[in-house]
Amino acid sequence: GAVVSQHPSWVICKSGTSVKIECRSLDFQATTMFWYRQFPKQSLMLMATSNEGSKATYEQGVEKDKFLINHASLTLSTLTVTSAHPEDSSFYICSARGVRGRYEQYFGPGTRLTVT
Amino acid sequence: QKEVEQDPGPLSVPEGAIVSLNCTYSNSAFQYFMWYRQYSRKGPELLMYTYSSGNKEDGRFTAQVDKSSKYISLFIRDSQPSDSATYLCAINTDKLIFGTGTRLQVFP
Repeated sequence: GAVVSQHPSWVICKSGTSVKIECRSLDFQATTMFWYRQFPKQSLMLMATSNEGSKATYEQGVEKDKFLINHASLTLSTLTVTSAHPEDSSFYICSARGVRGRYEQYFGPGTRLTVT
Repeated sequence: QKEVEQDPGPLSVPEGAIVSLNCTYSNSAFQYFMWYRQYSRKGPELLMYTYSSGNKEDGRFTAQVDKSSKYISLFIRDSQPSDSATYLCAINTDKLIFGTGTRLQVFP
C-alpha cells in the first residue's frame, strides 16, 4: 500500500513554455500533498503544501504565480511550471499524506525537468 | 543553526559491516523522527519512524532517538551493496524538515 505515482518521469521543454506534472496517490486518499524540488547532491526543499480543495501554501521564496499547484481531488495534485527558464531545471518530487497516517508521508518517484 | 544537521558523507564500507548514520537537531520539542532512503534519481522511501525516545527495530535496521542529546541514529546491520543509497533523516512537524542526507556506498 501507500503508492504515489508521478507523471511524467522525465520532461524536456523550451524556455517560456509551461509544463504540468501530475502526482497521484494510487491506493489511499491523500488529504495533504507536498511538492519538493531537489538539486543534484542536495536535500529536498519543500516548495508548497496543498490540502484537497484549498489553495496551496507556499514556502518563503517560492513564486506562487510561477509554480501553480492544484489539488482538486483526494488522489490527484498537479504542479504547473509556467514560463519555464533553464534555472527551473530540477528534480521535482511530490509526497502524499493520508488521514490515517498523520505523520507518514509517501513520496512519488520524482519528475526530472530540463528546460532548454 | 540549522534545525537538522547531517553529515553528507560519503560513507564507504565493506559488505557485512555495521553502518551508523547520525543526525542532530536543535529543537527539543520535536517528537517524530523519520528515516528515508533515496536511490539515485528516485523519490525517497520511508524506512522507519520513531516517536519520542528509544529504539525501534525492523529487520536489519534500528532507529534510535536520544532526546537528552538531541541525537538520532540509524544502524544498518550486515550491510549489503543494495543498501548503497542516500539516507535522509527528517523531523516531522506536520511538515518534514530534512537533513542534507548521507551518501552510503557498500562495496562487495
